[in-house]
Amino acid sequence: KNEVEQSPQNLTAQEGEFITINCSYSVGISALHWLQQHPGGGIVSLFMLSSGKKKHGRLIATINIQEKHSSLHITASHPRDSAVYICAARRGSQGNLIFGKGTKLSVKP
Amino acid sequence: DAGVIQSPRHEVTEMGQEVTLRCKPISGHNSLFWYRQTMMRGLELLIYFNNNVPIDDSGMPEDRFSAKMPNASFSTLKIQPSEPRDSAVYFCASSLNWLNTEAFFGQGTRLTVV
Repeated sequence: KNEVEQSPQNLTAQEGEFITINCSYSVGISALHWLQQHPGGGIVSLFMLSSGKKKHGRLIATINIQEKHSSLHITASHPRDSAVYICAARRGSQGNLIFGKGTKLSVKP
Repeated sequence: DAGVIQSPRHEVTEMGQEVTLRCKPISGHNSLFWYRQTMMRGLELLIYFNNNVPIDDSGMPEDRFSAKMPNASFSTLKIQPSEPRDSAVYFCASSLNWLNTEAFFGQGTRLTVV
C-alpha cells in the first residue's frame, strides 16, 4: 500500500462544477502539500498546510490530522483548472516529500 | 527572484554517456531536493540536501547516480554511465528549510537516453 493515496485517479467535470480531490496518508507528517502540474510539465505549489484549512481564490485545502486525510476543493471550476493535482506528505522526522500518484482533472467547457 | 533554475531543459544522449543536470535554488533557501518523474512510478525523491549537506540519498537508484552541492547556489545530478531506463523528467526543488516551508520546483530537465 502506498504511503500517500489519492482519489480519484481521473476526474472529468463540466465547467462550473464543484470539485473535490482526496488524499490519505499513513505516515507521520510535518506538513502536507498540494501541487499542480500543467500539461507543459511544470509543477507549482498550491498549498502547504499542517492543520485546518487554507483558501486561495477558488481553491480550498483542508486537512484532518487525526484522520490523516486532506482534501483539495475547486469551486466554480474552469477549463484552465485542467491539470494533474498531486498530494505530497512531508515526513515529520525526515523532511522529504512522499508523493501521491496524482489526480488528472479535465474540466470541459 | 527567478525561481529555481534547471539546465538543460532537454537532454538527449546515447547510452553509456555521462549526463550532468544542473540546478540553481532560490537564494536563501537552505534545502534542495532532486526528484525524478516517470509515467510508471510518478514522482520520486532521489536525494536531498540541507545546508549543502546530503541528508537522505536512499532514493538514488544505483551507484551510477551521484549528486553534489558544492555551495548554496548550485547543485548537480550526474548519471554515469546513462541507460535508457534513466529516461525521465528530473526536477529540482528548493525550500527555506527542510520541514515546514513550501517547496518551489524548477521547470525540470527532460532526459532521453537512446
